[in-house]
Amino acid sequence: GAVVSQHPSWVICKSGTSVKIECRSLDFQATTMFWYRQFPKQSLMLMATSNEGSKATYEQGVEKDKFLINHASLTLSTLTVTSAHPEDSSFYICSALRLTDTQYFGPGTRLTVL
Amino acid sequence: EDQVTQSPEALRLQEGESSSLNCSYTVSGLRGLFWYRQDPGKGPEFLFTLYSAGEEKEKERLKATLTKKESFLHITAPKPEDSATYLCAVQAGRYSTLTFGKGTMLLVSP
Repeated sequence: GAVVSQHPSWVICKSGTSVKIECRSLDFQATTMFWYRQFPKQSLMLMATSNEGSKATYEQGVEKDKFLINHASLTLSTLTVTSAHPEDSSFYICSALRLTDTQYFGPGTRLTVL
Repeated sequence: EDQVTQSPEALRLQEGESSSLNCSYTVSGLRGLFWYRQDPGKGPEFLFTLYSAGEEKEKERLKATLTKKESFLHITAPKPEDSATYLCAVQAGRYSTLTFGKGTMLLVSP
């Protein structure tokens, strides 16, 4: 149990376009999901906390207008990178919180902005 | 501010050569300490949660322990498939957010 999926697993887009990444908890309901980004050979940096039915909470320094988060159901959260630029290229990973307070992570999405 | 420091940054072992990874932490009100394994290009895979000093948990060749200041991940007789980056994270205060260390990259050679 505790399976989290992400789609797409990788995406290449042109500068200025928007990209949507989906995060789903497949076998449990998650009122809280988290979005991280990870640069090569670095650890995970929390971007935002997504709560079902309410606005996301963003970490300091993360632009909320650039990284739009929607948590529309107990099994789905989406991250939209708006007007993406090359510096947004990164590995984006989501996690879903189970009742035991444990975060289970998705497989990640590799975003490359040309 | 919560701080998590992992050492060593990288560790190379021969198959069967046991060792330990360290995670030292400074937090206010520890709720849980988590160990994850991350393979290249993939998301972290949950291994253990430790809640209080003195607690130990085991899974196959891995054993995690916790004191008031640090946690150890002991790897007994590792195999090449144990090669991965091992991440330590703490959960503190009243929120469920995690603060991660930078990880230890483990390479086990046959």
